[in-house]
Amino acid sequence: GNSVTQMEGPVTLSEEAFLTINCTYTATGYPSLFWYVQYPGEGLQLLLKATKADDKGSNKGFEATYRKETTSFHLEKGSVQVSDSAVYFCALSERAGNMLTFGGGTRLMVKP
Amino acid sequence: DTAVSQTPKYLVTQMGNDKSIKCEQNLGHDTMYWYKQDSKKFLKIMFSYNNKELIINETVPNRFSPKSPDKAHLNLHINSLELGDSAVYFCASSFYHRDRGAYEQYFGPGTRLTVT
Repeated sequence: GNSVTQMEGPVTLSEEAFLTINCTYTATGYPSLFWYVQYPGEGLQLLLKATKADDKGSNKGFEATYRKETTSFHLEKGSVQVSDSAVYFCALSERAGNMLTFGGGTRLMVKP
Repeated sequence: DTAVSQTPKYLVTQMGNDKSIKCEQNLGHDTMYWYKQDSKKFLKIMFSYNNKELIINETVPNRFSPKSPDKAHLNLHINSLELGDSAVYFCASSFYHRDRGAYEQYFGPGTRLTVT
């Protein structure tokens, strides 16, 4: 079956530091890949996505590149802010499928 | 404008009771879902539903049942509640990007269920 593995948190960074959250996946075929963010007390928001190999998803300064050869979709941001503190979820759905398989989530804490 | 809404936001109840959580989306999406998030933040799909097909995660107990009165609503009914049902339940809806070959899901704010 499908699975998504994320680095365990919490990840604690100082403001303006570089962020990487690792995500690897196992899936049949060619899944679509997503990053969702959950701010405290809120639901999940789609942060970015990529639907085929070598695609780069980007939004709000965050980026992730779909690497088929390493089955990875690592999330990066060059300079984090306190407002980025949240839980980040990597997820996949099978191509033309509709149910998401989530990783365990990674809590990011950014200190001023 | 609220895209995906859930009621109630908090639900506290006793073991053995039957309860429902309501979900509505005003996005015109064809497919809706229920997810369960446990205390460790792990998210798991429970159901996927459109007008034609209900897909059930085989690990979901049959005490849980989705009910869809119309395309914009997917309610979650839970019978004989157990302590282990305590979690945050998220509703979501999606549309299909034909040119990208992928669904894009939008989530509700969640319902925190506490069973005592």
